Amino acid sequence: SYELTQPPSVSVSPGQTASIICSGDKLGDKYVSWYQQKSGQSPVVVIYQDNKRPSGITERFSASNSGNTATLTISGTQTTDEADYYCQAWDGSTAVFGAGTKVTVL
Amino acid sequence: QVQLVESGGGVVQPGRSLRLSCAASGFTFSSYTIHWVRQAPGKGLAWVAGISYDGANRYYAESVQGRFPISRDNSKNTLYLQLDRLRAEDTAVYYCAREIPGGGGQGYFDLWGRGALVTVSS
Repeated sequence: SYELTQPPSVSVSPGQTASIICSGDKLGDKYVSWYQQKSGQSPVVVIYQDNKRPSGITERFSASNSGNTATLTISGTQTTDEADYYCQAWDGSTAVFGAGTKVTVL
Repeated sequence: QVQLVESGGGVVQPGRSLRLSCAASGFTFSSYTIHWVRQAPGKGLAWVAGISYDGANRYYAESVQGRFPISRDNSKNTLYLQLDRLRAEDTAVYYCAREIPGGGGQGYFDLWGRGALVTVSS
């Protein structure tokens, strides 16, 4: 079965840039979505189709996908960005999520 | 208000059954593929099952294939997940999520419910 690999955690200082990597075999051939989940809340999509932001999502979120790696970048990180972030792609008709990356803003 | 609301969670013994419901409102439910995604306590998201807008196509994760049939009633704007032969490892919050279609069948989940907690314990 298809797997997506993410680092368990990323730490970033306020105002700095956080990058979260998601890796998978030939991931660049698939569309990747990214979801933010704050503690006790439901997930929210922050990026879809590799690099598109839904309406209402701040421009501080950007992403790319090429080769075997997709990257979510949070610019000017704020304390409100502290959350778990999950990448997601499709393996045929099956949705696959990465294990999630906890972003801590120190 | 555009929303999905899950119900039917609870505590159930191993081997028993439970049925989850997901009530949709504020949008044309019958136009969308809807999915179930679960999250075990302290763990990540795991896709469970999905059903096409008309119910004609159903998809399952290997871990629940044959145990968790997914269905929908478009006349009631409601999605269901029948949880049969439950195991301790099925303990999780179960979310329903709406899929926005994308190229090549690669959509994304734009609307999530608040989730229903299922606890499997003797």
